[in-house]
Amino acid sequence: AQSVTQLGSHVSVSEGALVLLRCNYSSSVPPYLFWYVQYPNQGLQLLLKYTTGATLVKGINGFEAEFKKSETSFHLTKPSAHMSDAAEYFCALRAGSYQLTFGKGTKLSVIP
Amino acid sequence: GAVVSQHPSWVICKSGTSVKIECRSLDFQATTMFWYRQFPKQSLMLMATSNEGSKATYEQGVEKDKFLINHASLTLSTLTVTSAHPEDSSFYICSARQPTSGRADEQFFGPGTRLTVL
Repeated sequence: AQSVTQLGSHVSVSEGALVLLRCNYSSSVPPYLFWYVQYPNQGLQLLLKYTTGATLVKGINGFEAEFKKSETSFHLTKPSAHMSDAAEYFCALRAGSYQLTFGKGTKLSVIP
Repeated sequence: GAVVSQHPSWVICKSGTSVKIECRSLDFQATTMFWYRQFPKQSLMLMATSNEGSKATYEQGVEKDKFLINHASLTLSTLTVTSAHPEDSSFYICSARQPTSGRADEQFFGPGTRLTVL
């Protein structure tokens, strides 16, 4: 069985500060990992994904994440937060099938 | 490309009635679609996987007779909540795979449908 754990249900950062959202996973097979963003009352938008190859992946809106197998982590970062980054972020895992397992989400607040 | 729409975006119904939610892939053919349910401030829970032309596969604990899923074409899947009750009130999100593209490992999500049962 696979699982995704997002540390911190709510993260607040100042505008211009580093954004770090944590995601750890458990999987018995090599996983594909995804980060999605959700704005209020909207669906999910893919930020970035890791499948194979380069472990540092870059996504949209200046976000990036690094797959660390030894730490079973896939943390999401952005060097400088913008007000428009305030949203809910979900880490998700796909292992062995096309179904996704989601973490519980982290709400990011950006303080002006 | 890879746009998924849902209709309606929100619906209010009376307890005991049935509600149909449509999920469409607008610019691609989706052999597989997924239905999720999201409670307020919680994550997405997979309800069922819908394959075109065959019966949906429901996750454990999801009542297949209550949540009827039909995937009659490569661009349309429907979720019907039968005899809805207030506890069925939730945000329902669908997603679709585009298997013939270079992004076959992704799911493309619709904007969601807010269901409120009075």
